[in-house]
Amino acid sequence: DTGVSQDPRHKITKRGQNVTFRCDPISEHNRLYWYRQTLGQGPEFLTYFQNEAQLEKSRLLSDRFSAERPKGSFSTLEIQRTEQGDSAMYLCASSLGGMHYGYTFGSGTRLTVV
Amino acid sequence: EDQVTQSPEALRLQEGESSSLNCSYTVSGLRGLFWYRQDPGKGPEFLFTLYSAGEEKEKERLKATLTKKESFLHITAPKPEDSATYLCAVQVMKLVFGQGTRLTINP
Repeated sequence: DTGVSQDPRHKITKRGQNVTFRCDPISEHNRLYWYRQTLGQGPEFLTYFQNEAQLEKSRLLSDRFSAERPKGSFSTLEIQRTEQGDSAMYLCASSLGGMHYGYTFGSGTRLTVV
Repeated sequence: EDQVTQSPEALRLQEGESSSLNCSYTVSGLRGLFWYRQDPGKGPEFLFTLYSAGEEKEKERLKATLTKKESFLHITAPKPEDSATYLCAVQVMKLVFGQGTRLTINP
C-alpha cells in the first residue's frame, strides 16, 4: 500500500468549467475526508465519508461542490462552474476511524482557475 | 465554534537554537490534538496525537505537550531539514486545523 493517492496533482482550468478530482484512500481505511487549503492557511474541512455514507458537509461546500464515494472505496470531488476563488490545494485524507487513529493525507490536487 | 490558533505565524531560528511553537484551542468535546508537518507542495505528514492534559510525546528533536487549553511543540537543537510548516489540529468529529507556523532553520 502506497498511502493515499490523489489525481491529478495539478489542474489548470478556465473559469466556468467543471473539474473532478479523485482520491484513492488506504485500502483498509473506512473514513475519507476532503479538505481545502489556500496559501498560508491551514487545511479547511469540506466533507467526510464513513464507508459510502457522506456524514458531514461544511458550510464551505456550496451547491457547486459535490463529493461521492461509491462502494466505500475511492472518492471523487467535483466542482461545477469553477470560480477564481476555488483556486486552492484540495487534500484528501483517510483514517481507520475512532479517536486513536491519525489521518493520512495525500499530496493534494492543486487547482488553478484562470 | 471550534477554534485553533497557532503562534507565531513564522519563526526563523539558527541551527541548534531551541524554541517552542504554540497551539491554543477552544473546542467542545476534544477527542485528540494532532501535530502535522507540511513541506511545500505536499500534504500534511502526521507527527503526534495527544489525548489528555499532561501527556507528552517525543520524536527525534520534537516533543509535543498538552494542557487543557493549549499544546506546545518543542524543537531542540533544530537542523535545516526541520524547516517546514507545522500544523496543529483538534479532533472533534473531524480535524480542525490552525493556520500553521512556518519554521525556517538557518544553517
